[in-house]
Amino acid sequence: AQKVTQAQTEISVVEKEDVTLDCVYETRDTTYYLFWYKQPPSGELVFLIRRNSFDEQNEISGRYSWNFQKSTSSFNFTITASQVVDSAVYFCALSEARLREAAGNKLTFGGGTRVLVKP
Amino acid sequence: GAVVSQHPSWVICKSGTSVKIECRSLDFQATTMFWYRQFPKQSLMLMATSNEGSKATYEQGVEKDKFLINHASLTLSTLTVTSAHPEDSSFYICSASRGRTFVEQFFGPGTRLTVL
Repeated sequence: AQKVTQAQTEISVVEKEDVTLDCVYETRDTTYYLFWYKQPPSGELVFLIRRNSFDEQNEISGRYSWNFQKSTSSFNFTITASQVVDSAVYFCALSEARLREAAGNKLTFGGGTRVLVKP
Repeated sequence: GAVVSQHPSWVICKSGTSVKIECRSLDFQATTMFWYRQFPKQSLMLMATSNEGSKATYEQGVEKDKFLINHASLTLSTLTVTSAHPEDSSFYICSASRGRTFVEQFFGPGTRLTVL
């Protein structure tokens, strides 16, 4: 069974502060994928990043950066110099890559972290 | 590319009626579609996985007779909530993936169902 834990339910910051969202996962598979999604108040999920289990390189995309540490089963997400538009719920998710099964690539979501950026 | 639409975006119905929600992949063929339910301030919970032309696979605890899923073509899957009750009020989100070796799911905008 796979599990994703986002221990922080809500984080409130003032604009321009950095904010780091924690994500810890559990899986028995050696091949898997990790994702981060943003869900603004409109409700539509916005894809942010996908990382496979063999690629532990950290990634930076603009003000977003991700730290993948297989040794601690963590895939943390940092928003640098936060802005009001970053206010949303952020979900970490895990997909086991059972490529030969019809039900492959099922996503398991963490509980989500609500980020509130105040002006 | 990889756009998924849902219709309707919101629906209000009376208790006891059935509601159909459509999920369409607009610019790709979706071999697999997924249906999720999200209650207020909670996470997304997978309800079922459907492959074109075959029966849906439901997650544990999801009543297949209540949530009917039909994946009739490579671009359309429907979720019918039968005899809806107020506790079925939720945000329903579908997603689609291209091929079984392609990992990423593309999400629809969601349908907000309110049962009075």
